[in-house]
Amino acid sequence: GAGVSQTPSNKVTEKGKYVELRCDPISGHTALYWYRQSLGQGPEFLIYFQGTGAADDSGLPNDRFFAVRPEGSVSTLKIQRTERGDSAVYLCASSLRGLDEQYFGPGTRLTVT
Amino acid sequence: AQKITQTQPGMFVQEKEAVTLDCTYDTSDQSYGLFWYKQPSSGEMIFLIYQGSYDEQNATEGRYSLNFQKARKSANLVISASQLGDSAMYFCAMILMNTGFQKLVFGTGTRLLVSP
Repeated sequence: GAGVSQTPSNKVTEKGKYVELRCDPISGHTALYWYRQSLGQGPEFLIYFQGTGAADDSGLPNDRFFAVRPEGSVSTLKIQRTERGDSAVYLCASSLRGLDEQYFGPGTRLTVT
Repeated sequence: AQKITQTQPGMFVQEKEAVTLDCTYDTSDQSYGLFWYKQPSSGEMIFLIYQGSYDEQNATEGRYSLNFQKARKSANLVISASQLGDSAMYFCAMILMNTGFQKLVFGTGTRLLVSP
């Protein structure tokens, strides 16, 4: 069946611009996660959704980052006033309920110039 | 707060040999889970193996086994009979079971290179 998909696969933007990254979870998965992976590091947790609500957003680095999941399936990670330090691979994962295995998407590589 | 430490930035192994990737963890919680993920150059994180803190036997999944030593807080991954396709980044990760969801905390990873 279809796995987690993320679009775009690559995004290059100028400093100060706004970007949106999209995640399509596995159909029927209620839990959705966003992680950020900087070069040479492991992924770091950003935010967790259970259904439509953000159950834990403690990993969002500052208020320029925001994520939504309005219908409980697709999620969008939004970054305002991008900075060069935001350059990273943004990974999305979904799981059936929340306490089971996470399935990861291929990631979106964001480059801020 | 929990922490995962992977001290081997890179490991080399010849095809068909076994290799051990090290992972130590730090948490004061009694109930936790430990994972190993593989990340090939395509970028996707692929789940390999899971060990719960209360599991008495070491987890095994095909060529993968997890050497779980609770007193030492280590959860090393053993890959037997290495294959060229095993060349990738490997990440150890932890969750706390009492948080209500899987908030994975990852180590910095080990790059494995399998040579013919």
